[in-house]
Amino acid sequence: QKEVEQNSGPLSVPEGAIASLNCTYSDRVSQSFFWYRQYSGKSPELIMSIYSNGDKEDGRFTAQLNKASQYVSLLIRDSQPSDSATYLCAVNIRTVKLSFGAGTTVTVRA
Amino acid sequence: EPEVTQTPSHQVTQMGQEVILRCVPISNHLYFYWYRQILGQKVEFLVSFYNNEISEKSEIFDDQFSVERPDGSNFTLKIRSTKLEDSAMYFCASGGQGYYNEQFFGPGTRLTVL
Repeated sequence: QKEVEQNSGPLSVPEGAIASLNCTYSDRVSQSFFWYRQYSGKSPELIMSIYSNGDKEDGRFTAQLNKASQYVSLLIRDSQPSDSATYLCAVNIRTVKLSFGAGTTVTVRA
Repeated sequence: EPEVTQTPSHQVTQMGQEVILRCVPISNHLYFYWYRQILGQKVEFLVSFYNNEISEKSEIFDDQFSVERPDGSNFTLKIRSTKLEDSAMYFCASGGQGYYNEQFFGPGTRLTVL
């Protein structure tokens, strides 16, 4: 079983719609959860961190964490063409290192 | 806003040569990391560094690799005797005070081994 799995995508959404990204992780004792955005050829950019069950909102982004289901998600509201990128789910699993998912590529259609 | 910087942005080397990738982490951060991303693949952890020593390393980080913090600002990754399969983007990251802290990535160095 992979440590961190993301829905494979690609995900195509019209401009103004909500993009919903999902991530599951294998280790129940995982502590910290992050969403990074990576444009093609660029480095991962941290957009959200979440540590407790529930929702966390930052602008158009909402992260949701459910530790019982070992599930973390990212919602992008009012999607813009500039949101077109690959979104990486990353988890601290017992140690300081981040374990990354393979990423979900999002395309926002104008 | 403080950011992680890396040099060079692109390094081309011949197989068997040694390369040193350089990073300047965010100044008040205590944890430093190297990750790599082979083209089309996921980001992989290489090593973490805290309090002037390696705190964790992956299976990838074998004797071919070493890290050093030679002064108060730089953090380097040395790859000895490079192989074709070392071709990848190498990202430096730094994190703040806590154990499970946010990690901020530099722009990366693209290493091409010919």
